[in-house]
Amino acid sequence: QQQVKQSPQSLIVQKGGISIINCAYENTAFDYFPWYQQFPGKGPALLIAIRPDVSEKKEGRFTISFNKSAKQFSLHIMDSQPGDSATYFCAASMGFQKLVFGTGTRLLVSP
Amino acid sequence: GAVVSQHPSWVICKSGTSVKIECRSLDFQATTMFWYRQFPKQSLMLMATSNEGSKATYEQGVEKDKFLINHASLTLSTLTVTSAHPEDSSFYICSARDAHKLGYTFGSGTRLTVV
Repeated sequence: QQQVKQSPQSLIVQKGGISIINCAYENTAFDYFPWYQQFPGKGPALLIAIRPDVSEKKEGRFTISFNKSAKQFSLHIMDSQPGDSATYFCAASMGFQKLVFGTGTRLLVSP
Repeated sequence: GAVVSQHPSWVICKSGTSVKIECRSLDFQATTMFWYRQFPKQSLMLMATSNEGSKATYEQGVEKDKFLINHASLTLSTLTVTSAHPEDSSFYICSARDAHKLGYTFGSGTRLTVV
């Protein structure tokens, strides 16, 4: 019940395209859903986060869509750029206790 | 924004020796710190959670006598890998939670190689 399932495992998108990464959770007590970007040899950096009382949040080219009834949330990267090539992790937590991470998606944006 | 400084960024040590990794919150008080381990091309695996002034809570399967965690102040937590062996080689990452901002900030990670 603590798992967060993430897909796809890897993704190749052309420059200017839309990258979409999906996550699903089971624990309805989760109340914080962040997305992290990680470059090789670096720690994860927060991209964007959402609480369950909101269905969508947009920050620049990054958008989280949240479907509470389906227990799913997704990250959309608009106008994907080669510099967006990284590993992306979704996560969830309950009451800001420990984060439960998805398995990660390796995104490659081709020039 | 919130910044967590983690040092060293990489370390090579001989088998049997101990290594200490530091994690500092630079501009906020970190009431809780988390320590993760990450293998190549895998997700982050939580090792332990520490609250300032309290003993760390270790995840199942993590040897508390091998991975010593100290969180003596609101801005500093340390992870000591004792009697390191090659199988302890990994990428270790700390994360601090700011109770006021309700978020998590990650350090830049430490690449440990035990030879």
